Formats: sequence, C-alpha cells, structure tokens
Amino acid sequence: NAGVTQTPKFQVLKTGQSMTLQCAQDMNHEYMSWYRQDPGMGLRLIHYSVGAGITDQGEVPNGYNVSRSTTEDFPLRLLSAAPSQTSVYFCASRVPGQGSDTQYFGPGTRLTVL
Amino acid sequence: SQKIEQNSEALNIQEGKTATLTCNYTNYSPAYLQWYRQDPGRGPVFLLLIRENEKEKRKERLKVTFDTTLKQSLFHITASQPADSATYLCALDGTGGSQGNLIFGKGTKLSVKP
Repeated sequence: NAGVTQTPKFQVLKTGQSMTLQCAQDMNHEYMSWYRQDPGMGLRLIHYSVGAGITDQGEVPNGYNVSRSTTEDFPLRLLSAAPSQTSVYFCASRVPGQGSDTQYFGPGTRLTVL
Repeated sequence: SQKIEQNSEALNIQEGKTATLTCNYTNYSPAYLQWYRQDPGRGPVFLLLIRENEKEKRKERLKVTFDTTLKQSLFHITASQPADSATYLCALDGTGGSQGNLIFGKGTKLSVKP
C-alpha cells in the first residue's frame, strides 16, 4: 500500500491564481480530511468527507472547495489564492468507528502564495 | 469552545532520561485522545490512542496516561534517545461521534541531547 499520497510537494502561486491539491489513498478508508499547519497554530481542519459524495466544512473552510467523487480521491481546490493561504497542507484518512481510530497523514504540500 | 493545550513549546532533555509531555483540554469530554509524532518536513505519524475508560497505555518505551478528572494526558518516553527528537502532537476526538474530527494541540518539540 502506498498509503496517503499528495501532489505536488511544493507549489508557488501568485495572488488570485487557482489550483488543486491532490490527495489519494489506497486503504479503502471512508473518512478523509484536509488540514493546514501554520507556525504557532497547529493543525487546523479545513474540510472533511465521511464517504464518496459527502463533504463538510471544518474549522477554516473559507477560500477552499472540496469534492469526493470516489473513495480514493479527495482534492482540495483553492479558488483564488491569497497570501494568507501560505501554509503546509496535509491530507489524512481513517476508518472511523472501527475501534482503531488511527489517522494516516500524507507527506504534505508546502504552498507559498506571493 | 473546545480547547487543547500542550504546555511546553519545547522540551530539552539528556539522553537516557524520561521525557514527559503534557496535554490539557477544556470544555469537552473526549471519547479518546491520541498522540502523534511529526518529523520536520513530514506528516504526523500515529503513536498511541487511549480511551476515556483507560488510565494508562504502553507501547515499548512509550507510556500514555489519561486523567479525565484533571482533563489531562501525560506522554512519557523512557530511556530517551536522540532519535526521539521530534515534535509530538496530542489530538482529541472533537465531536465524540463516528465522524471523528480530530482537534490537535500545537505540539511540543522534544530535543534529546547525547
């Protein structure tokens, strides 16, 4: 198993540009989520999905869109990038309610918005 | 609102000593608490989960305690090694439900000196 994969690893955008951060998992996990990690702020939940076709907002959803058309993929879209979205983005997956609530994280995407 | 605090931003100890990291939470009664390790430039990696009805859990040199009265978890690394140097995150089940949104602390950076 590759686990949770994210692309790209690094990205530089100009203010106003849009892009999609890709996330995929091959563990057949129903639950997937996106976090951002900023110095001094810890990990904050952006959006999450409990299964294909179902998404919901987390703590900091503004400026981001998600969709979940398959169990494997959970892309995060930045609609119009802003410098405040400079951060490291982590995708994670898990199988909730199975008695094993381990969350598996991807390697992260480091995004800089100029 | 739910709040989770890791008291120390950084902890420096000598090799061979026991490292003790603290996680406190307020305004919530979580069903479980998790500890993760994060190395620079990488995603968090799950270490241990302890449930509300468990007082203590061990895994090799790691020990976690959970005191629901004090609303506190302690994470111990015995016989610490320089390879244990990393940032350690605690996380709570934010909703208590099967969706399992995790709320993370800001982390404690542990440095083990030889």
